[in-house]
Amino acid sequence: GAVVSQHPSWVICKSGTSVKIECRSLDFQATTMFWYRQFPKQSLMLMATSNEGSKATYEQGVEKDKFLINHASLTLSTLTVTSAHPEDSSFYICSAQTREVYNEQFFGPGTRLTVL
Amino acid sequence: AQTVTQSQPEMSVQEAETVTLSCTYDTSENNYYLFWYKQPPSRQMILVIRQEAYKQQNATENRFSVNFQKAAKSFSLKISDSQLGDTAMYFCAFMKLHNDMRFGAGTRLTVKP
Repeated sequence: GAVVSQHPSWVICKSGTSVKIECRSLDFQATTMFWYRQFPKQSLMLMATSNEGSKATYEQGVEKDKFLINHASLTLSTLTVTSAHPEDSSFYICSAQTREVYNEQFFGPGTRLTVL
Repeated sequence: AQTVTQSQPEMSVQEAETVTLSCTYDTSENNYYLFWYKQPPSRQMILVIRQEAYKQQNATENRFSVNFQKAAKSFSLKISDSQLGDTAMYFCAFMKLHNDMRFGAGTRLTVKP
């Protein structure tokens, strides 16, 4: 149980285009989802927290208009990178939390974004 | 704000030996959770072990155990009988109840045959 999927696992796009990454909880209801960014050989940095049905809360320094997060249902959150640039190339990881399991987050396998 | 510090960027250990990874954290909270995650080359985050701050007993999971010193805000991971498959990045993480996780910078562990 407690499986989180991400799609796509790898995406390459041209500079200036938008890319959408999906994060799904497959066998549980995720009341809260988190989006992290990980640059090569670095740690996970929290970008934003999203609760189902409400606006995401962004960490300081993360551009809200560039990284659009939608958590429209209890099993799906999406991250859209708008007008992507090469510096947005990174590994994006989502995690999900439920109200019932208060002491853990369940991580997706990550999405590698390469912007040319 | 909570901070997590891993002061060992890289560690190595001989197969079958024991290695300890260090982690310290800073918080004013009394109730929280601490984790060690393993990130292999696939980059999937794998939970190694979890410790609830209100529990005095150190958590253990087979070959993995922690030394949790709440007053010192220290949370080290001991890997016994190291195996080649233990080679990975290891991240220490802090989480308040129903809140986001904060990660340390990571320690790259190499198990040598």
